[in-house]
Amino acid sequence: DGGITQSPKYLFRKEGQNVTLSCEQNLNHDAMYWYRQDPGQGLRLIYYSQIVNDFQKGDIAEGYSVSREKKESFPLTVTSAQKNPTAFYLCASSLTGTDEKLFFGSGTQLSVL
Amino acid sequence: KQEVTQIPAALSVPEGENLVLNCSFTDSAIYNLQWFRQDPGKGLTSLLLIQSSQREQTSGRLNASLDKSSGRSTLYIAASQPGDSATYLCAVRRDNYGQNFVFGPGTRLSVLP
Repeated sequence: DGGITQSPKYLFRKEGQNVTLSCEQNLNHDAMYWYRQDPGQGLRLIYYSQIVNDFQKGDIAEGYSVSREKKESFPLTVTSAQKNPTAFYLCASSLTGTDEKLFFGSGTQLSVL
Repeated sequence: KQEVTQIPAALSVPEGENLVLNCSFTDSAIYNLQWFRQDPGKGLTSLLLIQSSQREQTSGRLNASLDKSSGRSTLYIAASQPGDSATYLCAVRRDNYGQNFVFGPGTRLSVLP
């Protein structure tokens, strides 16, 4: 079945540590996205990528980094510069047409030890 | 700056009731609007997408309407079932580069058997 796989489901970060969240899709979508979800708030866009080897900052990119070396993969690194990383992280993908639906992975819950 | 709000934040109804969820946005210059469903600890599932030129979309027991001029969308759920219990989020697409959505905080729906 086609879909988006995020791993791990739960992740714990120590102070000063960088951690990487994995996102893989087999939907043959060109566009991929990372969103952050905090309790009681809407999702906020961290980074997005329309094609391989190109990505753009979203609204809250500070303290995060991404790469897009393969169409299927869009890993997100939460760096030590992100001072409040505890949140639910969601990866999404879509085709690049005007009215295309977003498809989401099942998310990664990141907590600080 | 586009802002999306959803009222009420939570709603509890008995099984079988018809119900309406509300979504408001501040900037009427949108490309489309999507309604999503999110189960606890899970990713989002797209329910309906309404293009900016459309007034409504229907899928099964769900009907979504869009009034751009007033900055409002509603999601109507007919004959609600316990399985409809989830958080429902709306999101508006704000530009023509990538699926850059602004999300509302969601309405948490509980359908009681």
